[in-house]
Amino acid sequence: NAGVTQTPKFRILKIGQSMTLQCAQDMNHNYMYWYRQDPGMGLKLIYYSVGAGITDKGEVPNGYNVSRSTTEDFPLRLELAAPSQTSVYFCASQPTSGAETQYFGPGTRLLVL
Amino acid sequence: QKEVEQDPGPLSVPEGAIVSLNCTYSNSAFQYFMWYRQYSRKGPELLMYTYSSGNKEDGRFTAQVDKSSKYISLFIRDSQPSDSATYLCAMTSSGDKLTFGTGTRLAVRP
Repeated sequence: NAGVTQTPKFRILKIGQSMTLQCAQDMNHNYMYWYRQDPGMGLKLIYYSVGAGITDKGEVPNGYNVSRSTTEDFPLRLELAAPSQTSVYFCASQPTSGAETQYFGPGTRLLVL
Repeated sequence: QKEVEQDPGPLSVPEGAIVSLNCTYSNSAFQYFMWYRQYSRKGPELLMYTYSSGNKEDGRFTAQVDKSSKYISLFIRDSQPSDSATYLCAMTSSGDKLTFGTGTRLAVRP
């Protein structure tokens, strides 16, 4: 049981490039989330999903896209990278709404230059 | 005004001290309250979970929620160097989408 896994661990992008941050969970959780964490700013919700085929915007969705074709995977897409997207990205999963905890992955550090 | 306010610290205490961490919030709809611990370059992990008002104790950790004052606290007794981390409060009205505080960095000196 690997929990929540994220790849890559670290990436440097040039302005205007695109990339996909991968997230997978093997706990059969319905709910999945993407957060970004900037220094001194806490975690901000980017997108979330309550099940395969269902996604919705969070607090800071601009510049990102997501898809959820399976229960296990929830990739986050950056189409035109900007320096403002330099951050640490965390994926999380939760069995159901109201369940006690969200389980977080180890994070992806992204630097856009 | 931010929905959740948390003093960023850093907070430095000697080993064995009692640590008090706090958050205030403005959204009266919040009813699920959590404390996450985050070690450097790691993902957050749940430390304490409280539904609605009241106290909850787990070993050296006690979480308190005062909904009338919109104020939550985490107390750490007999603090250890291994408690050195960033502590994030989080809360939600719906049981899913979390609103986080900015985190308080804690250092426990041996």
